[in-house]
Amino acid sequence: GAGVSQSPRYKVAKRGQDVALRCDPISGHVSLFWYQQALGQGPEFLTYFQNEAQLDKSGLPSDRFFAERPEGSVSTLKIQRTQQEDSAVYLCASSHKRASRGNEQFFGPGTRLTVL
Amino acid sequence: KQEVTQIPAALSVPEGENLVLNCSFTDSAIYNLQWFRQDPGKGLTSLLLIQSSQREQTSGRLNASLDKSSGRSTLYIAASQPGDSATYLCAATMDTGRRALTFGSGTRLQVQP
Repeated sequence: GAGVSQSPRYKVAKRGQDVALRCDPISGHVSLFWYQQALGQGPEFLTYFQNEAQLDKSGLPSDRFFAERPEGSVSTLKIQRTQQEDSAVYLCASSHKRASRGNEQFFGPGTRLTVL
Repeated sequence: KQEVTQIPAALSVPEGENLVLNCSFTDSAIYNLQWFRQDPGKGLTSLLLIQSSQREQTSGRLNASLDKSSGRSTLYIAASQPGDSATYLCAATMDTGRRALTFGSGTRLQVQP
């Protein structure tokens, strides 16, 4: 079946612009995660949804970052007034809730954001 | 706060060699540990997931082990091939109900033909 998809794959923004990044999780996966990956580093957690509920947003670096998942499927990560330090790859992952499947997370290809 | 470290940061080996990638974590109260592969410019591909109650998992030429008490996991790759060249990341989920993965910085592997 289809995996996690993200769009756009690449985004160039001028400093101060707002951007919106989209994630389509695997069908039937109730958990959705956003991560930020800087060049040469491992991904770092941003936020987590279970269905439409945002259960953990402890990793969001500032109040310029906002995520939503209004119908419990597609999610959007919005960054307002982008700064150069926001340049990174933004990865989305989804997982099935059932305990028997553990917490294996499946990742999308990411959106590479470059802020000029 | 959980910290995950991967050593070495980079590794170059000739084709056919068996190799071991290391991952260590500071807090042993993990729920599971997952190994991923990342190709340049691509997302992460899940390789193996080890639950906290398990000692190892195998898939083809890959074998991952977990020793919670010592805070270590290893990924063993048998008979390496040039197609194995990629960055390998390990990530832990804490046993606190928090579902987020904590990643290491990865080991960049180059297998020379």
